Amino acid sequence: EIVLTQSPGTLSLSPGERATLSCRASQSVSNNYLAWYKQKPGQAPRLLIFGAYSRATGIPDRFSGSGSGTDFTLTISRLEPGDFAVYYCQQYGSSAWTFGQGTKVEVK
Amino acid sequence: EVQLVESGGGLVQPGGSLRLSCAASGFTFSSYEMNWVRQAPGKGLEWVSYISGSGRTKYYADSVKGRFTISRDNAKNSLYLQMNSLRAEDTAVYYCARDLAGTTGPVDYWGQGTLVTVSS
Repeated sequence: EIVLTQSPGTLSLSPGERATLSCRASQSVSNNYLAWYKQKPGQAPRLLIFGAYSRATGIPDRFSGSGSGTDFTLTISRLEPGDFAVYYCQQYGSSAWTFGQGTKVEVK
Repeated sequence: EVQLVESGGGLVQPGGSLRLSCAASGFTFSSYEMNWVRQAPGKGLEWVSYISGSGRTKYYADSVKGRFTISRDNAKNSLYLQMNSLRAEDTAVYYCARDLAGTTGPVDYWGQGTLVTVSS
């Protein structure tokens, strides 16, 4: 099983600032099959990025994904009020998909 | 409009069984791969199981292998999760989740979830 470790656990930032979230895999993610999701309290997750860098439908270009192999990054260029949430990475390169433990982006 | 509506959650004793259902609408159900993903209270997401569009290919997380069975009825646009030998650590909100078209893995639509509580 591929273990995903997200850092930091909590990111305290102000609206307008840039957020950089990290996701590190215990082994190389096949074909860079890495996705990012955003989840707000009481809601289901929402797909942001798949294939490490492809934005899902309706996701603004403030969100960008990068990385390959074992190190991946989600960048939010300018935080808006609705961006404060928990973010999860997911690998789907093996037949046993796994999620990271999440990074909470909170208002500073 | 794509809709996924789960049902069947509730309180069950350790060792008991429960069957979750997910009614899908707004898309051609048989053309999409489906999953169950769960989230324990206050915790992160955990993928549980996957099933291909035809139902022939199934995968399970190690934590549920041998206890849970995923299935689908494409004629009824429905996804199921049979859960046996339930444990306290299976307590979670269970989401029905649709894979992004043309891919296996990223989920583009989620249900609202159904809560399963395993407790005596």
